Amino acid sequence: EVQLLESGGGLVQPGGSLRLSCAASGFTFSSYAMSWVRQAPGKGLQWVSAISGSGDRTHYADSVKGRFTISRDISKNTLYLQMNSLRAEDTAVYYCARGGHYGLEYFDFWGQGTLVTVSS
Amino acid sequence: EIVMTQSPATLSVSPGERATLSCRASQSVSSNLAWYQQKPGQAPRLLIYGASTRATGIPARFSGSGSGTEFTLTISSLQSEDFAVYYCQQYNNWPPYTFGQGTNLDIK
Repeated sequence: EVQLLESGGGLVQPGGSLRLSCAASGFTFSSYAMSWVRQAPGKGLQWVSAISGSGDRTHYADSVKGRFTISRDISKNTLYLQMNSLRAEDTAVYYCARGGHYGLEYFDFWGQGTLVTVSS
Repeated sequence: EIVMTQSPATLSVSPGERATLSCRASQSVSSNLAWYQQKPGQAPRLLIYGASTRATGIPARFSGSGSGTEFTLTISSLQSEDFAVYYCQQYNNWPPYTFGQGTNLDIK
């Protein structure tokens, strides 16, 4: 059974940093692209970033480019999102999702999400 | 960036009736379109990919159609568990992947 479990969310001040993690199980982690998708309170879904299965290719939404970094540790079956220079508009539930690169360009499994609140 | 527009924003339907949800792309996305269902407090769930292929475990009452810029998700006979928000997503031109703003399907 595919499972994705996010952690690392919380309250952070504007300009601060946070690192999200997503522990994956139930599938061969290195064989699948992974993505982060966020949802601001009461709003729709917004794709944030994707990384290829091998980790050699990454992509970002313009709104986070230069501030967020996606990475993965295949030995730990874990996906990360390093978020720097956080802004109020980054407040959202952040979902880890399988997919988002060539071969699987939609999102077939999702974690339960972790809430990030950017506020002073 | 391809803009996805869903209509209507809210759809009120009685249990047992058919629901038809629409999604329009600002330019052709071929058949590279997915549909997701999201219930309150839960993560989205993949329903349809390739515009018309049901994901594993999705009941046959869910069907998708369309290509190019016009797409439809049809739920043939609504069950109580189907009342939720539905999103379409294009994956023809990326990055970025883009979602519609959602259709809230509620009980009439």
